[in-house]
Amino acid sequence: DAGITQSPRYKITETGRQVTLMCHQTWSHSYMFWYRQDLGHGLRLIYYSAAADITDKGEVPDGYVVSRSKTENFPLTLESATRSQTSVYFCASSEKEISYEQYFGPGTRLTVT
Amino acid sequence: GDSVTQMEGPVTLSEEAFLTINCTYTATGYPSLFWYVQYPGEGLQLLLKATKADDKGSNKGFEATYRKETTSFHLEKGSVQVSDSAVYFCALSDRTGGGNKLTFGTGTQLKVEL
Repeated sequence: DAGITQSPRYKITETGRQVTLMCHQTWSHSYMFWYRQDLGHGLRLIYYSAAADITDKGEVPDGYVVSRSKTENFPLTLESATRSQTSVYFCASSEKEISYEQYFGPGTRLTVT
Repeated sequence: GDSVTQMEGPVTLSEEAFLTINCTYTATGYPSLFWYVQYPGEGLQLLLKATKADDKGSNKGFEATYRKETTSFHLEKGSVQVSDSAVYFCALSDRTGGGNKLTFGTGTQLKVEL
């Protein structure tokens, strides 16, 4: 399917476990982003990537790791999950410096117990 | 740094009522401005945008005008429907920092009742 997909859609994990959230886009957009959405905070940028092998920190990067070996994939890893990382995570993509419009995936609801 | 301030919700309206959701921003340079909508259980979708001062973005009966003098981008709709119930986010492009980044407001929940 064309567009941007995320997997899994729902995940429950235990404190201390490593978990990886997947993001895949079919448009060959240069930019990709990871956000977390929490009540009262709106969307906060975790990491972003301008191209394959180029990543940079956003507003709240601590506890997260990203990689981008291929343009279409941008996985987000929580190395040792904490309860404060319980959130809804959104991946987004954007064309290179054209309109700044971002296209969002459906989200992953992560619960850390 | 850049920031976006939205009115707090929830906003509850009756069907066919007039809607205004206020959004003001602080930015260096000349950002583009956006309204995104998030329906329950879904990701964000672009609703409308404006790229320069005095531009009016419009879509699905919603409108917003880029007002540089008041640093505002208020969202309006003349007659809301139950199907408009969603969370609305105002955002601006971060041109100074690069990276095609957007800065989002905290979102305003709209509930439309019959």
